[in-house]
Amino acid sequence: EAGVAQSPRYKIIEKRQSVAFWCNPISGHATLYWYQQILGQGPKLLIQFQNNGVVDDSQLPKDRFSAERLKGVDSTLKIQPAKLEDSAVYLCASSLDQTEQYFGPGTRLTVT
Amino acid sequence: GEDVEQSLFLSVREGDSSVINCTYTDSSSTYLYWYKQEPGAGLQLLTYIFSNMDMKQDQRLTVLLNKKDKHLSLRIADTQTGDSAIYFCAESRLTDSWGKLQFGAGTQVVVTP
Repeated sequence: EAGVAQSPRYKIIEKRQSVAFWCNPISGHATLYWYQQILGQGPKLLIQFQNNGVVDDSQLPKDRFSAERLKGVDSTLKIQPAKLEDSAVYLCASSLDQTEQYFGPGTRLTVT
Repeated sequence: GEDVEQSLFLSVREGDSSVINCTYTDSSSTYLYWYKQEPGAGLQLLTYIFSNMDMKQDQRLTVLLNKKDKHLSLRIADTQTGDSAIYFCAESRLTDSWGKLQFGAGTQVVVTP
């Protein structure tokens, strides 16, 4: 069974630029999560989708971050404009029954 | 903020047992998890325990849960060099959306030969 796929793996941008990350969850997993992991910290949930609907986006900085999951499968997370403090690893996870979450390899974003 | 707390670092000799500790503050926790993260990789689900259990064993891994003290531990028997990684404790709370996880800051485990 293929795992959660993410791209790109690494991205370097300048502040005020925009960036997008892509996630393809495990086949059949209805729930998809985006987490932000700042160096030295544990992951923090940004947004949770159930199929193509948003379940929780309470910690998503909505003035600059947006996410969508149009067909209930793949998802994209966008940052526009990026700030220095957005430098982090962005992790996507998916779940079949919301008990077990499986993570992708992450996208390491560096904002200069 | 992070209500899940872990010690930052653990050094252990190869072949010994490792014990990683975690404390949490929310009594509405339903499931408690242990994840492993190797350098440059995502998080790997190791094991988890339902809050009405006090112990779970899975091969070399033993999870102990003390609900009264809100204390969770992960014991790794016969620790190997491949066990060197950061270990995250996480909880799922009834008061959060179902499936949302609150993570600790992680414990870096270094296994020495």
